[in-house]
Amino acid sequence: DAKTTQPPSMDCAEGRAANLPCNHSTISGNEYVYWYRQIHSQGPQYIIHGLKNNETNEMASLIITEDRKSSTLILPHATLRDTAVYYCIVRDGGSQGNLIFGKGTKLSVK
Amino acid sequence: DAGITQSPRHKVTETGTPVTLRCHQTENHRYMYWYRQDPGHGLRLIHYSYGVKDTDKGEVSDGYSVSRSKTEDFLLTLESATSSQTSVYFCAISGKGQKYTDTQYFGPGTRLTVL
Repeated sequence: DAKTTQPPSMDCAEGRAANLPCNHSTISGNEYVYWYRQIHSQGPQYIIHGLKNNETNEMASLIITEDRKSSTLILPHATLRDTAVYYCIVRDGGSQGNLIFGKGTKLSVK
Repeated sequence: DAGITQSPRHKVTETGTPVTLRCHQTENHRYMYWYRQDPGHGLRLIHYSYGVKDTDKGEVSDGYSVSRSKTEDFLLTLESATSSQTSVYFCAISGKGQKYTDTQYFGPGTRLTVL
């Protein structure tokens, strides 16, 4: 089972920041937080991951709380092409096993 | 994209026929995975490979076999397709020199319909 909890859906106005929350209260010290998204009918796309420090790349920013029990994915200027299902996944660092996808958050950018 | 292709992209077949799906990578990743995605179940792991000729079962391996004779190719075979194997199949790759973390990159998917 997925170790994360996400809201089933969110809306965002185009051009505004989209902030997607994720709860992972049982995360352990060596587990990373990964974010993927899946645009309709396409393969899941890697976005970003982090352990405890905030991370930023060309796609998004990841903010992890100090106690690591929750995180927020930020898309700074959402566009229509960001409409997708976003998955937050907790995974053991260095593990090569499968990713366990939960139900994710359906983000609609309008 | 991470240099992953899947073929065919769409296939319709009949119950009882054998089907082989191919995943090809150009990134020299060590690990390769086959997932299936169905409504209400998310992605589920079928089989994975951790090197040439080294494979292992995933969560939903019954009715499927795999082979990896070259680093770049990972084949998924349905020996005798059933309607329950109608699904979208995704290949993923990982393991290119990342020390403590691992990121999986996914292919575009194959939509399989078994009539």
